[in-house]
Amino acid sequence: GEKVEQHESTLSVREGDSAVINCTYTDTASSYFPWYKQEAGKGLHFVIDIRSNVDRKQSQRLIVLLDKKAKRFSLHITATQPEDSAIYFCAANPNNAGAKLTFGGGTRLTVRP
Amino acid sequence: EAAVTQSPRNKVTVTGGNVTLSCRQTNSHNYMYWYRQDTGHGLRLIHYSYGAGNLQIGDVPDGYKATRTTQEDFFLLLELASPSQTSLYFCASSDVGGSQDTQYFGPGTRLLVL
Repeated sequence: GEKVEQHESTLSVREGDSAVINCTYTDTASSYFPWYKQEAGKGLHFVIDIRSNVDRKQSQRLIVLLDKKAKRFSLHITATQPEDSAIYFCAANPNNAGAKLTFGGGTRLTVRP
Repeated sequence: EAAVTQSPRNKVTVTGGNVTLSCRQTNSHNYMYWYRQDTGHGLRLIHYSYGAGNLQIGDVPDGYKATRTTQEDFFLLLELASPSQTSLYFCASSDVGGSQDTQYFGPGTRLLVL
């Protein structure tokens, strides 16, 4: 089955700098790649996604890049703020399953003042 | 925004105990999911369902049963709890088939099996 690897388990950046979190996946049929954010003591909430028909998507300070050839996608957070500190999870939808997501292991992002 | 609630929020049981975790969503989503979250493993899908009476096997189903009694309610059952099932459990729902595949998560249930 699909496997999603999240390369950075922790990441620390200075406020105002950019943060980049990288993920790779194994199933070439995967077509939907969402990102979720988990703040301390809370459940996950959706932040941005990308589908395989595009290679870049931006929503305010968040940019997602998708390289289907390399089976790699990444989340870029620009102009980081303290409230960006959280655990970020990437995920992939294997085999166009419609519902099922396979998650990466998570990246704990700390934005230092 | 979709509302997903879970109960209890915390649970302690002993090895061999019987535990039921409850999840309710109030946005008429067709899909519901149970995940467990463990350090280093991210979220792993236990079971999911696309409607009342339906159950689909996830990636880590061993030791777990689930039942979807209504569109709103999805239960996770641990009939003989083991310490390896100590974890943080999340329920989620989504409206697959529409324009959004976003999963909406509940606040989580922390389970400790002694």
